[in-house]
Amino acid sequence: GQQLNQSPQSMFIQEGEDVSMNCTSSSIFNTWLWYKQEPGEGPVLLIALYKAGELTSNGRLTAQFGITRKDSFLNISASIPSDVGIYFCAGPNYGGSQGNLIFGKGTKLSVKP
Amino acid sequence: EAGVAQSPRYKIIEKRQSVAFWCNPISGHATLYWYQQILGQGPKLLIQFQNNGVVDDSQLPKDRFSAERLKGVDSTLKIQPAKLEDSAVYLCASRLLAGGADTQYFGPGTRLTVL
Repeated sequence: GQQLNQSPQSMFIQEGEDVSMNCTSSSIFNTWLWYKQEPGEGPVLLIALYKAGELTSNGRLTAQFGITRKDSFLNISASIPSDVGIYFCAGPNYGGSQGNLIFGKGTKLSVKP
Repeated sequence: EAGVAQSPRYKIIEKRQSVAFWCNPISGHATLYWYQQILGQGPKLLIQFQNNGVVDDSQLPKDRFSAERLKGVDSTLKIQPAKLEDSAVYLCASRLLAGGADTQYFGPGTRLTVL
């Protein structure tokens, strides 16, 4: 079945540093989504990507849809303490109904002030 | 606009007991999802509703899990009887339209602990 592999599993960085994380898929995707989940909350959509090679920004966050369509990257510039959380990549579950998603295991980000 | 509401936020039960979770989606959202999120994992879809009909329940353990959305608005997910491995956060999400893979709005989840 489809699998999403995220790396790294966790990151401990200093405030102000840039962050980069990625997600790879066992199959080709036509949509990549990046979510952030804070403790005690549900995931919140950060960025959606729909085209190979697409680069999209949302404030200090930038995500790219890999050319192979099997990977995606999320970068956070000049990290701040409120960036703390778990970042998930997600994509369409082609084995399920339209609109269903599969998620990676997440990258846990810790930011030291 | 109010978000997706879930209750209770926390539940602790013993194995073999029953438990039910409630979800009220964003007003007007036709599609409702229930996800299971085990610690250290991403959410995994259990069931998808379109209005009051089930669209996909292929990953729902039907011997112990059931869900309904009788009036096409709020939904209930039940586990009977619970097992230790059911300890997880149960997330409800809703989407305005059918189809597409984006713009699912998640509730805060119910954290279930099975002892």
